[in-house]
Amino acid sequence: AQRVTQPEKLLSVFKGAPVELKCNYSYSGSPELFWYVQYSRQRLQLLLRHISRESIKGFTADLNKGETSFHLKKPFAQEEDSAMYYCALRRGYSTLTFGKGTMLLVSP
Amino acid sequence: NAGVMQNPRHLVRRRGQEARLRCSPMKGHSHVYWYRQLPEEGLKFMVYLQKENIIDESGMPKERFSAEFPKEGPSILRIQQVVRGDSAAYFCASSNPGTSGNYNEQFFGPGTRLTVL
Repeated sequence: AQRVTQPEKLLSVFKGAPVELKCNYSYSGSPELFWYVQYSRQRLQLLLRHISRESIKGFTADLNKGETSFHLKKPFAQEEDSAMYYCALRRGYSTLTFGKGTMLLVSP
Repeated sequence: NAGVMQNPRHLVRRRGQEARLRCSPMKGHSHVYWYRQLPEEGLKFMVYLQKENIIDESGMPKERFSAEFPKEGPSILRIQQVVRGDSAAYFCASSNPGTSGNYNEQFFGPGTRLTVL
C-alpha cells in the first residue's frame, strides 16, 4: 500500500530564510509525486509535479528514489508563501494519496 | 470558467439524517473524484467516477455511503444515517484526461464541511 509522510505539522521561518518541507513516501510501483498548496481561504491547487522538473514560485522538488523522498525547497521564503502544503502520490493514472500536510508560516 | 463548484459549503445534520453533497465539475471535465479530510488528517480518496460509471470506489466505506455522476447534472455524494464520525470536509476534484497532455491534472473544489450533531 502507498503512504505519504510529512513529518512536520508546522514550519515557521523568517522572510528570506531557506525553506525545506519534507515528504517521504512508500510505494511499490514507480511513483508519481506532486506538491499541492492551499492558501488561506482558497482551494487546493497544484504547485508542482516531479515529472515536469520545473520551478514554480521559486519552489523546487527533486524525487530521490533511494531515500524515497520528495522534499519541497525554496532558497528565500516570502510572506506570501505562508500556506498549507500537501505532498501527494498518484497511483495508476488517477487517484491521489495525500500526506497530512505542513503549515508553513513565514514571518516578516 | 468558474472552476469546480461544490454545494453546500457547510452542512449541518443530526445523527441519523441523510447528507447530500453536490459537485459540479469544471466545464468539459468528465471525471470526478471525491476525497474526505478528517480533522488533522490529509485528504483521503473515496471514489472516482466518470459519467454514469464508478471507476474506483476502493476508498468508500462499505455502508451508508454512495456516489453517482449522472449523464446530466452534478455528481452527488450521499451519506445515509450520518454519525458523528462522518463530520469532515469533503472535497471534489475533476479532470479531463483528454487534455493537459495526458497528465490528467485534478482541479479541486472549495469543499463541503459536514458537521454531524
